[in-house]
Amino acid sequence: AQSVAQPEDQVNVAEGNPLTVKCTYSVSGNPYLFWYVQYPNRGLQFLLKYITGDNLVKGSYGFEAEFNKSQTSFHLKKPSALVSDSALYFCAVSSLTGANNLFFGTGTRLTVIP
Amino acid sequence: DSGVTQTPKHLITATGQRVTLRCSPRSGDLSVYWYQQSLDQGLQFLIQYYNGEERAKGNILERFSAQQFPDLHSELNLSSLELGDSALYFCASSAGRADVYEQYFGPGTRLTVT
Repeated sequence: AQSVAQPEDQVNVAEGNPLTVKCTYSVSGNPYLFWYVQYPNRGLQFLLKYITGDNLVKGSYGFEAEFNKSQTSFHLKKPSALVSDSALYFCAVSSLTGANNLFFGTGTRLTVIP
Repeated sequence: DSGVTQTPKHLITATGQRVTLRCSPRSGDLSVYWYQQSLDQGLQFLIQYYNGEERAKGNILERFSAQQFPDLHSELNLSSLELGDSALYFCASSAGRADVYEQYFGPGTRLTVT
């Protein structure tokens, strides 16, 4: 069975500070991992994905994520947070050996404080 | 703008009624996905179609059904509506398989059942 855990419902960070949004996963087989962001009253927007290759993945808006197979984690990071980064962030996982759809985490609300 | 369109934006209806939500995928995308987002259940995958055929099924109730037409637009039919069906319904599209292709989300249809 596939599952994703986002252990923090809420993350607060000061503007200009680095931010991390945590995600751990469970799949049978190799994982394919995604991060999406949802702004108020909008649909989800794709940020980045890990399929294979380099463990550090760079995405949109200066975000990056590190795939860690031993810790089954895929944390989202950004070196310097902006107030405009405040949004709801979703981690998602799929695998070739699993169902042909994405499993989303429960989301983490990021608030960047000016 | 993701290129995915959904109509209507808002829908208010009474319990027991039936509604149809419509989605047009991004140009060239063959896969269409439907999701339900509610406060208590988070983002739930309902169903996926690929080039007119059902490809994957998630937590979709028997009262709900969907189809994808030859022009690749999709409709989600919700019948015998209950108060608990009130939610945001998102459509997403991708070029191919859910496990490796990022999905592009529409703006959603907010359904309110009274």
